[in-house]
Amino acid sequence: QKEVEQNSGPLSVPEGAIASLNCTYSDRGSQSFFWYRQYSGKSPELIMFIYSNGDKEDGRFTAQLNKASQYVSLLIRDSQPSDSATYLCAVTTSGTYKYIFGTGTRLKVLA
Amino acid sequence: DAEITQSPRHKITETGRQVTLACHQTWNHNNMFWYRQDLGHGLRLIHYSYGVQDTNKGEVSDGYSVSRSNTEDLPLTLESAASSQTSVYFCASSENTGELFFGEGSRLTVL
Repeated sequence: QKEVEQNSGPLSVPEGAIASLNCTYSDRGSQSFFWYRQYSGKSPELIMFIYSNGDKEDGRFTAQLNKASQYVSLLIRDSQPSDSATYLCAVTTSGTYKYIFGTGTRLKVLA
Repeated sequence: DAEITQSPRHKITETGRQVTLACHQTWNHNNMFWYRQDLGHGLRLIHYSYGVQDTNKGEVSDGYSVSRSNTEDLPLTLESAASSQTSVYFCASSENTGELFFGEGSRLTVL
């Protein structure tokens, strides 16, 4: 089992819809959870981070963390064509400062 | 502004040659990381360092080495380049388990 798993997609949603991206992780001691966005040919950039169970909102983005079920999700409201990118989930493993990434989910927002 | 820079951005080399990719950060972060990114595999951790004189192997460390002689730099060396090491390499830095900052990437082709 991979440490961090994501559906590779592509996930296609119409403009204005809600995009839901999911990530599961295997290490129960994981402490910090991050969502990065990566455009083709570019480096990853941070969208959101979350440390505690529950929801965290930032503009059109909401991160949701459920440690009991070991999943973290990212909701993008009012999706725009400019949101089309690969979204990477990252988790720091327990007792370390290592960041382990999922393979990413490719999102396509259709105009 | 603080930043993290990689050089060269593009490199073509031949099988068996030694190659060094440079990474320099001005964030004054203790933690530095090297990842490689390949289609279908996401970001995989090669080596990481938590401070001067500290280096650790990641999940795909075979054929790579790093050294950390100061806070700012973590060069990645491929001792004898192989075609399987053709990839995009990202250097990143962080403080504790906060945001991971990425360089712009180095695209390496081994012929």
